[in-house]
Amino acid sequence: DIVLTQSPDSLTVSQGERATINCKSSQNILYNSNNKNYLAWYQQKSGQPPKLLISWASTRDSGVPDRFSGTGSGTDFTLTISSLQAEDVAVYYCQQYYSTPWTFGQGTKVEI
Amino acid sequence: EVHLVESGGGLVQPGGSLRLSCAVSGFTFSIYSMSWVRQAPGKGLEWVSYISSSSRTIIYYTESVKGRFTISRDDAKNSLYLQMNSLRGDDTAVYYCVRGLLTADRTFDRWGQGTLVIVSS
Repeated sequence: DIVLTQSPDSLTVSQGERATINCKSSQNILYNSNNKNYLAWYQQKSGQPPKLLISWASTRDSGVPDRFSGTGSGTDFTLTISSLQAEDVAVYYCQQYYSTPWTFGQGTKVEI
Repeated sequence: EVHLVESGGGLVQPGGSLRLSCAVSGFTFSIYSMSWVRQAPGKGLEWVSYISSSSRTIIYYTESVKGRFTISRDDAKNSLYLQMNSLRGDDTAVYYCVRGLLTADRTFDRWGQGTLVIVSS
């Protein structure tokens, strides 16, 4: 199974500042034939189901604010919140869909 | 508006069975793949099972539920199901019905509110 390890486990950022979450895969999740990274990011607020933010490592889902961005390739990926807002307080998960079982990182808790 | 509403959760004894249902509305169910994802209390997310759109039925399970869980869909009823047999304590979780993103159907762009399954004697 592909293991995704997120860092840090939690972080506290001042409102308006940048938040950076890393996700490291135990295996390469870049598919060479289409040059796509099979990685997604989700946001889960307290008491709510997760919400898809980004697929293909960097493609924002519709309606996701552009302060959220995803970068990286191969085994190392980053979710950046460029200017943290109060409504961004949540747990963030990465997910690989390169091979089954599709797996999630352990989550990163972001607080203000 | 897209809606996914799970039902069928509850308290069950180890070794027992439950059938989860997910009623969907607000989109053309038949063209979307669907999955079940679970979350144990206070824990992270775990993908459980996937079923492709009915045009070419493909089914996957995570290893820990193979042979015990069965995913199915009824496009005429806009419904997704998960038959869970031989339940164990580590199956205790909130089970989410999730829709696959059309452009990346192994990612999940809409989620239900979840139904809680508790396996305990």
